[in-house]
Amino acid sequence: ETGVTQTPRHLVMGMTNKKSLKCEQHLGHNAMYWYKQSAKKPLELMFVYNFKEQTENNSVPSRFSPECPNSSHLFLHLHTLQPEDSALYLCASSQDVRSGNGELFFGEGSRLTVL
Amino acid sequence: GEDVEQSLFLSVREGDSSVINCTYTDSSSTYLYWYKQEPGAGLQLLTYIFSNMDMKQDQRLTVLLNKKDKHLSLRIADTQTGDSAIYFCAEEGGYNKLIFGAGTRLAVHP
Repeated sequence: ETGVTQTPRHLVMGMTNKKSLKCEQHLGHNAMYWYKQSAKKPLELMFVYNFKEQTENNSVPSRFSPECPNSSHLFLHLHTLQPEDSALYLCASSQDVRSGNGELFFGEGSRLTVL
Repeated sequence: GEDVEQSLFLSVREGDSSVINCTYTDSSSTYLYWYKQEPGAGLQLLTYIFSNMDMKQDQRLTVLLNKKDKHLSLRIADTQTGDSAIYFCAEEGGYNKLIFGAGTRLAVHP
């Protein structure tokens, strides 16, 4: 059982829909991350939260809206997405952004398809 | 800017050695990483190397680091079908901000 759980695993939405991706970590970590994985492209860091505070927004369009209500939960709210936003969205956590060897623990991802 | 490059695909025969190569740009990275992604799963840390090391060996895995050329490689000895996966190289962009490559898909055939 993974320590980082993402739901839903698959999501299909139209460009006018509003949906949310959820991530929960059971590892007692304080930092959480959203990454976007597209085919044949490098993993793209989107957002970083450390102790519930956003520390990184990697020039992500405003149609992606993150929310981190506590250190264990991270959401990605989606609205008016484009077909090119179709990708695998990966959540990760770590002890905190300044700790040790920087090991990230990833969830299995949410596969998003925008029609 | 920060950039990590790796070839997209590698095919090897079962029992042979696999060598996956990576180049990175940030010479100040304290650690460099190899992550593995199996089908339908997230990424898992496979191994990492501290920047003041040239080599790290862990069972069938050997990591070589050439800081002068900013080149990192992962060698898997006696490659098995279970090693089939995507392997990501990553450099540390500061404060756990890992910069990943596009991943190398390793296919192992009989």
